[in-house]
Amino acid sequence: DAGVIQSPRHEVTEMGQEVTLRCKPISGHDYLFWYRQTMMRGLELLIYFNNNVPIDDSGMPEDRFSAKMPNASFSTLKIQPSEPRDSAVYFCASSHPGQGGGYGYTFGSGTRLTVV
Amino acid sequence: GENVEQHPSTLSVQEGDSAVIKCTYSDSASNYFPWYKQELGKRPQLIIDIRSNVGEKKDQRIAVTLNKTAKHFSLHITETQPEDSAVYFCAASIVGYGNKLVFGAGTILRVKS
Repeated sequence: DAGVIQSPRHEVTEMGQEVTLRCKPISGHDYLFWYRQTMMRGLELLIYFNNNVPIDDSGMPEDRFSAKMPNASFSTLKIQPSEPRDSAVYFCASSHPGQGGGYGYTFGSGTRLTVV
Repeated sequence: GENVEQHPSTLSVQEGDSAVIKCTYSDSASNYFPWYKQELGKRPQLIIDIRSNVGEKKDQRIAVTLNKTAKHFSLHITETQPEDSAVYFCAASIVGYGNKLVFGAGTILRVKS
């Protein structure tokens, strides 16, 4: 299994531009999570999906952020318009409760976003 | 909602010594407690986890203990090695309620050789 795949690995964009981050979860995992990691705020849950349906988006900071999961193998996180304070590492993770007796997430490699 | 506090924020130990990281959680309904290790520039990776029906779990040099009454759990690393240097995160969740993990702020562990 290739694991959770995120793209791009790095993104540098100018303030005001639209940014789209992509994630392919592990096949068979029915939960998908988007986290943001910064030095100041640590790992913050932005939104998560179960069976492609958004369950909790209370962590999405503002209306500028949106996420979709059109099918079981693909999700996007979009920021429009982007601002410098959005600079962070964005992680996607997936899980399948009960797999191997555990409930831990598998994280992707992350997307390092820099907004200048 | 759940709140997880983690201490210390940084920890330096001599190679071969033991390291202990402690976490407390607020929601007594939480029943799953994983620990993640994140090396610089890498993704967090699950290293050990424990469920609320177990008090202790070991895997080679690492162990986790859970005190449900006090709502705290700890990570113990024995015979530390330089490659143990990383950021360690604890987390808590309520299995069956979305499997949503709430993470602690992290502990930077430095193992000096």
